[in-house]
Amino acid sequence: DSGVTQTPKHLITATGQRVTLRCSPRSGDLSVYWYQQSLDQGLQFLIQYYNGEERAKGNILERFSAQQFPDLHSELNLSSLELGDSALYFCASSGASGAGEQYFGPGTRLTVT
Amino acid sequence: AQSVTQPDIHITVSEGASLELRCNYSYGATPYLFWYVQSPGQGLQLLLKYFSGDTLVQGIKGFEAEFKRSQSSFNLRKPSVHWSDAAEYFCAVVNNDMRFGAGTRLTVKP
Repeated sequence: DSGVTQTPKHLITATGQRVTLRCSPRSGDLSVYWYQQSLDQGLQFLIQYYNGEERAKGNILERFSAQQFPDLHSELNLSSLELGDSALYFCASSGASGAGEQYFGPGTRLTVT
Repeated sequence: AQSVTQPDIHITVSEGASLELRCNYSYGATPYLFWYVQSPGQGLQLLLKYFSGDTLVQGIKGFEAEFKRSQSSFNLRKPSVHWSDAAEYFCAVVNNDMRFGAGTRLTVKP
């Protein structure tokens, strides 16, 4: 158990819909990262927040957004969903703002039908 | 361009045999290096990391990895594989952000 929690575990929704994925980092960790894992793209870094502020951006679509709240939990919002958004979405946390090791949550499996 | 390469998509070894999973990176400076393991339906678990110092690092579950600057490699090894080691293994590097290799799927034959 990494100490990172993600909800929900599974999500099935239709194209065009909007969903919110939630992540609680390990106690004391200030950085939260979001990743997308799909068969064709592998593990892709989406975005990082550090202590409430956006720190780094990766391959995140404009239809996707994230935020980190004062209690350090984070939410990833996915809108106008397409079939190709079906994937595993992982959250990770670390104590560092930059190059520390990351601890991953169990993931949310999103299926868009 | 900065990249992480795991040349082997799939490796099969017999239980008890030794294992080496390859990882090469292409970065201007020495990045921070990691190996993660992912069991089916699970998140990624950190096996070991290299930041600096001794180039041979020990990790959990009996794994070790050696950083070779001249070869830009960070290969993962285990002297004797157990059936429970069957999983997907990811090499990762951190420069500005964490980048993962495509992964190597390990199958263990009884």
